[in-house]
Amino acid sequence: DTEVTQTPKHLVMGMTNKKSLKCEQHMGHRAMYWYKQKAKKPPELMFVYSYEKLSINESVPSRFSPECPNSSLLNLHLHALQPEDSALYLCASSQARSSQPQHFGDGTRLSIL
Amino acid sequence: SQQGEEDPQALSIQEGENATMNCSYKTSINNLQWYRQNSGRGLVHLILIRSNEREKHSGRLRVTLDTSKKSSSLLITASRAADTASYFCATDGRGGGSNYKLTFGKGTLLTVNP
Repeated sequence: DTEVTQTPKHLVMGMTNKKSLKCEQHMGHRAMYWYKQKAKKPPELMFVYSYEKLSINESVPSRFSPECPNSSLLNLHLHALQPEDSALYLCASSQARSSQPQHFGDGTRLSIL
Repeated sequence: SQQGEEDPQALSIQEGENATMNCSYKTSINNLQWYRQNSGRGLVHLILIRSNEREKHSGRLRVTLDTSKKSSSLLITASRAADTASYFCATDGRGGGSNYKLTFGKGTLLTVNP
C-alpha cells in the first residue's frame, strides 16, 4: 500500500465532461506534485505546490486546473479534455526542502472518449 | 533542458544474476535519484545520491555517480523475479525553484526470469 492515495483509480470521460482527480497524503509533506505519464514513457511534471501555493506550472493547458485546499489534499480539475490527454496521472508528495525523495500514489488511469 | 537518459532501454536476465542500468544527464545537479515502477503502479523511491558522493549502497542496490562524466549507474545484485519493473533515474536542478522539479530519464525495463 502506498502512503499517497489517489482516487479514482480509473476514469473514463467524454470531451465535454468535467471531473476531478483527488490525492491525499498524511505524511506531513508540504510539497505536492501532479505528473502525467504516457505508456512506456517517464512521468512528466505538470504542477508543484509548496505550502499550498502553486510554485511550478509547466505550461500546462488551462483545461487542467490544480487546487490545493489544504496541506493534505491536492485536486486536479479536468474540463474539455482531448483524446491525447489520456494517460496515467500521478500525484506525489515530499518534504518542502530541496532535493527530497518523492512519494507517489498509484495514479489515476484516465481515458478520454 | 536536462534529462536523464538510461541505457539499456530494456534488459532481460535470469534470477540470481546482477543487473546494471546506466543513466546520463546534461547539466549540473544537486542529487540524482533512482525510482522503480511496477506495471500499473506508482513510482517507488529507491535511493538518492548527492553530487558530492561517489557511491551509495542500500541492501542489494549499489549506485555510483560520476559528476565529471554526468553519469550514474544502478546495480541490483542477486536479482529476483520481484525486481521486474521499470527503473528511472531522476535529476534535479541546482538552485531556486527548480529544486522541487525532478526530470526523469526514459527508463530501463528490467525483466528477471525465474
